[in-house]
Amino acid sequence: DIQMTQSPSSVSASVGDRVTISCRASQVITNSLAWYQQRPGKAPKLLVYDASRLESGVPSRFSGSGSGTDYTLTISSLQPEDFATYFCQQYYSISLNFGGGTKVQIK
Amino acid sequence: EVQLLESGGGLVQPGGSLRLSCVASGFTFSSYAMSWVRQTPAKGLEWVSGISDTGAGTYYGGSVRDRFTVSRDNSKNTLYLQMNSLTADDTAVYYCAKGPHSDFWSGRGDWFGPWGQGALVTVSS
Repeated sequence: DIQMTQSPSSVSASVGDRVTISCRASQVITNSLAWYQQRPGKAPKLLVYDASRLESGVPSRFSGSGSGTDYTLTISSLQPEDFATYFCQQYYSISLNFGGGTKVQIK
Repeated sequence: EVQLLESGGGLVQPGGSLRLSCVASGFTFSSYAMSWVRQTPAKGLEWVSGISDTGAGTYYGGSVRDRFTVSRDNSKNTLYLQMNSLTADDTAVYYCAKGPHSDFWSGRGDWFGPWGQGALVTVSS
């Protein structure tokens, strides 16, 4: 199975900060990567697919990048509603799996 | 607006069975693959099962294969997950989620969105 490792596991930031979250796959996944946001008590919400394509309706302050085994989700200017947990997911392999999550907390 | 509403969760004894349902609205249900994903605080998010638009293709994660069965009734816009031989490790919030394509697997898998609100399954004596 492909292992997905997210870092950091948590980050403290302030409104307006630029935040970067990383996701590393244990093998090349050829941009078959999605990012999700999950607020407490809510279901995950799709933000990015195919590593860099923004889902319809997602604010442009979110962006995805990367290739090969290393991928990044960037929030260019953190807003109050962005404090949440973020997950990556690979779909290159039939054994779809997720990263462990990165919690973005208020500094 | 796409809506997915799960039901059927609850408390079940080890070794027991439970069937989850997910009623879809706001899109042409019969044209899209669907999946079940579960979540626990300890293990995080785990993909459980996927099914193609017609139901002809079904796929399972390793931990549930041979115990869980995914199906759909396109006339009722409803996705199902039949869970048998349940253990404490199956305790989780179960989400149904819409796929972006008609086939779940065509050389690579899918991302998920949107998701339902989740159904809690607790396996305990």
